[in-house]
Amino acid sequence: AQSVTQPDIHITVSEGASLELRCNYSYGATPYLFWYVQSPGQGLQLLLKYFSGDTLVQGIKGFEAEFKRSQSSFNLRKPSVHWSDAAEYFCAVGVSDMRFGAGTRLTVKP
Amino acid sequence: KAGVTQTPRYLIKTRGQQVTLSCSPISGHRSVSWYQQTPGQGLQFLFEYFSETQRNKGNFPGRFSGRQFSNSRSEMNVSTLELGDSALYLCASSLPPGGRSSYNEQFFGPGTRLTVL
Repeated sequence: AQSVTQPDIHITVSEGASLELRCNYSYGATPYLFWYVQSPGQGLQLLLKYFSGDTLVQGIKGFEAEFKRSQSSFNLRKPSVHWSDAAEYFCAVGVSDMRFGAGTRLTVKP
Repeated sequence: KAGVTQTPRYLIKTRGQQVTLSCSPISGHRSVSWYQQTPGQGLQFLFEYFSETQRNKGNFPGRFSGRQFSNSRSEMNVSTLELGDSALYLCASSLPPGGRSSYNEQFFGPGTRLTVL
């Protein structure tokens, strides 16, 4: 069965520093992959998605993610973090239904 | 275009009661999915409706049910509430299946926070 693993429960970075959030998936074929962000008390907002083609995808708010089939990974990156990026980030695999990782909580230090 | 709306935003119930949550999808979206989010279990898929039919169902007891109306609005119902049902219930809508660019891309509402006492 498909599954998603986000190894890091909580990450703290300084404002202006680079960010990488890890995501590994388990699925037999090339999956549809997503990154969502959730601010406190809010629903989920789609940051970016990968269906096929170019393995480096650009999203909103300056985020990008790279699909690496050999590593079954879809890591999210941002070159310079802003204080407003503090939130919970979810990686997801879309097949017949959406399977989410446990989430990574991002704290941004001033 | 208005986003996904969910009502009510907050709800307090007692054990044994039942509750109905409502979701209005984005205009033109015909698929509606429901999720339960808790600190312990994370985001779990409840069910998906398309054209008033349940297309997919997660691993939840029969106390959890849903339906979809002809205008694509959806409701979910939880009967005989238990303390463990306290959660944020999220609704997501998406375009009809088949278009590759829109496959499974879901747009989420703000959720309904259910507290069971």
